[in-house]
Amino acid sequence: RKEVEQDPGPFNVPEGATVAFNCTYSNSASQSFFWYRQDCRKEPKLLMSVYSSGNEDGRFTAQLNRASQYISLLIRDSKLSDSATYLCVVNPRGARGSTLGRLYFGRGTQLTVWP
Amino acid sequence: DVKVTQSSRYLVKRTGEKVFLECVQDMDHENMFWYRQDPGLGLRLIYFSYDVKMKEKGDIPEGYSVSREKKERFSLILESASTNQTSMYLCASRSGMKGYTFGSGTRLTVV
Repeated sequence: RKEVEQDPGPFNVPEGATVAFNCTYSNSASQSFFWYRQDCRKEPKLLMSVYSSGNEDGRFTAQLNRASQYISLLIRDSKLSDSATYLCVVNPRGARGSTLGRLYFGRGTQLTVWP
Repeated sequence: DVKVTQSSRYLVKRTGEKVFLECVQDMDHENMFWYRQDPGLGLRLIYFSYDVKMKEKGDIPEGYSVSREKKERFSLILESASTNQTSMYLCASRSGMKGYTFGSGTRLTVV
């Protein structure tokens, strides 16, 4: 079973729409969670961390459900510039509590926002 | 801001050549990583290092080796390049519980 599973999409939405991405993870002891954004032919960049209580950054809201091992990202009032691939990222706890700093990435969900 | 610098954006090498990809970070991070990214396969971890002279195999280490002689520098070595190693290579560094910072990537073509 993969550590992180995401719906690959693609999601095609009009400007101004609200869109939500979901992600599940397999290691219940996972410690930290992130959403990354990757533009075509560029490196992934950190969009936001995901906290247990949920957190918001402008039009972006991230939620974590530890009981269901589920993470979500909500984008409100979509802009053309939001078109990208969104990667769900998890830091699981390994043997003897170690993580060795490694993160696990989903394969990404592709979003296209059209005018 | 943390900066992770990869020495080349684009490289073209011949089959059988020994290839060195260099990565330098400027924020004293303990952990450094090498990934490759291919369409439809996502990011796959090749090797990582959590300290100077320490290395750990990732998910696809075959055909690769690494070197970390100084904390700020992590090198990926393709011992004998093959066409199936044509890919985008991404270096990343991390400290503590924060996310990765990636370099801008090296697009390697092996002909």
